[in-house]
Amino acid sequence: GPKVLQIPSHQIIDMGQMVTLNCDPVSNHLYFYWYKQILGQQMEFLVNFYNGKVMEKSKLFKDQFSVERPDGSYFTLKIQPTALEDSAVYFCASRGHISNERLFFGHGTKLSVL
Amino acid sequence: GDSVTQTEGPVTVSESESLIINCTYSATSIAYPNLFWYVRYPGEGLQLLLKVITAGQKGSSRGFEATYNKETTSFHLQKASVQESDSAVYYCALGRNNYAQGLTFGLGTRVSVFP
Repeated sequence: GPKVLQIPSHQIIDMGQMVTLNCDPVSNHLYFYWYKQILGQQMEFLVNFYNGKVMEKSKLFKDQFSVERPDGSYFTLKIQPTALEDSAVYFCASRGHISNERLFFGHGTKLSVL
Repeated sequence: GDSVTQTEGPVTVSESESLIINCTYSATSIAYPNLFWYVRYPGEGLQLLLKVITAGQKGSSRGFEATYNKETTSFHLQKASVQESDSAVYYCALGRNNYAQGLTFGLGTRVSVFP
């Protein structure tokens, strides 16, 4: 079935550095999401992106976070600069244009900030 | 804000036994949220198991069932006879029609089925 791919599966960086998490959404999907899951806690909504714009974001989506999808390529989450509390698994999801259509999730990228 | 509470895992059951995972929700910003069960099998990504968007309705998939109960704000997941292949982490979630704020997930319940 349709798949959302996230590359890489694990990334380790030093605090203060910039990191970009990549997501290859399902082809022809139009809505894109990032979620954050800290170990032992719930998956939490970060941001919803559509037509080149952030549609909704949560309070977890700090000023250091940004998203884009240049030229229909990867949907990216950039964190600059990173902080220790950014260590988590980040899940990308996408869906088509039909209301109530389900979300397809990637396997997640584990980010470790040292 | 919205929240979802589900059975704390891990849950261990023997093959062919019944399974129930409790889920209750609080939707302060949505009058009639859509309710979902997602599942993550070992080594795989999160995938939709079933969803119900109308209160009072029942959803079913792969032998699992869940009924949207508005009165008790519950959406318990049940299966009469589990198999080893049902071993996974199960997540209850709620959301709006247009997924504008994505989904609100529970903590997840790890289920292990032993032969």
